[in-house]
Amino acid sequence: KQEVTQIPAALSVPEGENLVLNCSFTDSAIYNLQWFRQDPGKGLTSLLLIQSSQREQTSGRLNASLDKSSGRSTLYIAASQPGDSATYLCAVLVSSGSRLTFGEGTQLTVNP
Amino acid sequence: DGGITQSPKYLFRKEGQNVTLSCEQNLNHDAMYWYRQDPGQGLRLIYYSQIVNDFQKGDIAEGYSVSREKKESFPLTVTSAQKNPTAFYLCASSRLAGASEQYFGPGTRLTVT
Repeated sequence: KQEVTQIPAALSVPEGENLVLNCSFTDSAIYNLQWFRQDPGKGLTSLLLIQSSQREQTSGRLNASLDKSSGRSTLYIAASQPGDSATYLCAVLVSSGSRLTFGEGTQLTVNP
Repeated sequence: DGGITQSPKYLFRKEGQNVTLSCEQNLNHDAMYWYRQDPGQGLRLIYYSQIVNDFQKGDIAEGYSVSREKKESFPLTVTSAQKNPTAFYLCASSRLAGASEQYFGPGTRLTVT
């Protein structure tokens, strides 16, 4: 059974800092991996999707990498801003099924 | 304006009553999903549907029921058999089942007392 872990559970940084959020998964046979952002009391917003054949994806100040062999993905946020404060979740799609398995998220606070 | 809508945003019910949560999408997506989110836990899949008139149980389907009579609609009924129904419910859709990016609605917070 696929398990997804996100460490740390919470992170607080000063504005302007570059930071990395981590996601690990137990079964490397994934189809794709998706990073989401969730603001308090809101739905999820898709940030980046990485196919299993890709190593990374970039969108603005966000860069997500994927290392299937080690079961890891990282979300790099450059020049963090207070508006980046939210919970970030990663989710993997296993090859054999059609459902996403989610991590519990990292709650990020960027202090002005 | 394309997207996924869920209504209502907040819902209050007495214990023992069934309640139906609405989810509508105008993205022309084939697949739709229902998740439950509890504090300190990740999202858990309740039901999903890959095409109209077809749906499958997720990891925590007990006490829930769904229907998929139209491509754009996937309502979720929380029945009185669900032991802990108070939670945040999220609906999602994707162009194809599994392989493509999932998009989420704003969620419905259900409180049962």
